Amino acid sequence: DAKTTQPNSMESNEEEPVHLPCNHSTISGTDYIHWYRQLPSQGPEYVIHGLTSNVNNRMASLAIAEDRKSSTLILHRATLRDAAVYYCILRDEKNSGGSNYKLTFGKGTLLTVNP
Amino acid sequence: ETGVTQTPRHLVMGMTNKKSLKCEQHLGHNAMYWYKQSAKKPLELMFVYNFKEQTENNSVPSRFSPECPNSSHLFLHLHTLQPEDSALYLCASSQNRLTNEKLFFGSGTQLSVL
Repeated sequence: DAKTTQPNSMESNEEEPVHLPCNHSTISGTDYIHWYRQLPSQGPEYVIHGLTSNVNNRMASLAIAEDRKSSTLILHRATLRDAAVYYCILRDEKNSGGSNYKLTFGKGTLLTVNP
Repeated sequence: ETGVTQTPRHLVMGMTNKKSLKCEQHLGHNAMYWYKQSAKKPLELMFVYNFKEQTENNSVPSRFSPECPNSSHLFLHLHTLQPEDSALYLCASSQNRLTNEKLFFGSGTQLSVL
């Protein structure tokens, strides 16, 4: 899997927007960008994914750079319940070796939300 | 509630014990996964089952033995574990093993090996 680089930690204030960056300079044309988050004492939870266009869902927005070498997960109004580790992961759609379903987690970004 | 239930939530076992972790999903999925999360380390994929068949064993020691009797249930049988096997064991499921399918995770079993 192509590698991603994320800051180890970020801090935000409650009810303010949060922009979580992810660099993936070696991304290939068939890699989708996935975001998961892991709340304390929980398993990871799917947040959003995209390929080229920006994506929105009820949890967050994903902004993908035009060259696809970076992306940003946007939480529009952070709440205390958004405090978690956020993982940016690339998944290859066309890996003919059969391992294309793997989710390879890195260390992620620990988001702290201040009241 | 993710639709993936793991039991027990916590387990303490000695190195000579035999125990089993259980995972059940109520989502109608066909693929199930075991992941291991050690302290301060990223999640590591251990095993993958697709339609009850094991499709991946990520060089996991034989003291971990998975079992998938049907698409809704997944077990991880443990025997003669080592203290370094202490970790959070997470089960996940997805519709099948297609790449773009999102995974649903359980809350995990926190295992301590004494």
